[in-house]
Amino acid sequence: NAGVTQTPKFRILKIGQSMTLQCTQDMNHNYMYWYRQDPGMGLKLIYYSVGAGITDKGEVPNGYNVSRSTTEDFPLRLELAAPSQTSVYFCASSYPQDNQPQHFGDGTRLSIL
Amino acid sequence: DAKTTQPNSMESNEEEPVHLPCNHSTISGTDYIHWYRQLPSQGPEYVIHGLTSNVNNRMASLAIAEDRKSSTLILHRATLRDAAVYYCILRKYGGSQGNLIFGKGTKLSVKP
Repeated sequence: NAGVTQTPKFRILKIGQSMTLQCTQDMNHNYMYWYRQDPGMGLKLIYYSVGAGITDKGEVPNGYNVSRSTTEDFPLRLELAAPSQTSVYFCASSYPQDNQPQHFGDGTRLSIL
Repeated sequence: DAKTTQPNSMESNEEEPVHLPCNHSTISGTDYIHWYRQLPSQGPEYVIHGLTSNVNNRMASLAIAEDRKSSTLILHRATLRDAAVYYCILRKYGGSQGNLIFGKGTKLSVKP
């Protein structure tokens, strides 16, 4: 099984550019999440989804948008890239039960210059 | 959300046991204790979780204090591959989001 797959692995953007970070999972998980991790810090939740067509904001949603048209895919959109969005982005998925673990992708390392 | 407190860093020798502590004095009765680890340049990886009783799996053991205000992740024989940041996380049963709230974790170094 591929698990959670994120693309691209690395990207450099100029200020004001836009891009979409892709995330797909093959485990038929209902719940999907986007986190960001700044250097030396833990992960912070950006957006999450409890199923296709349903998304909601997390702790740090400003500057980002998401959509969930299928169970498998949960893309994260940056509309106007800013230096503060330089970070490592992780996508995760899980079953809805509280005792089920989250499965993470390997991350996208994004630099805004 | 209840908070957890972990040491910033710990060191271990290869093939020796490692005990990683976590304090969670404000834990509620519906909080599960989860442990994840993050290897360098990778996403977090689930290690183990428990509610009240001690738990064992192929990766580690979780010892939970009787009052549930602290817990200890036990790696029975540390290997170089176990060098990672270990996160102790409380996850509320019945939470609508299901997301994990990460602190800074404990950075474990393993010496050969």
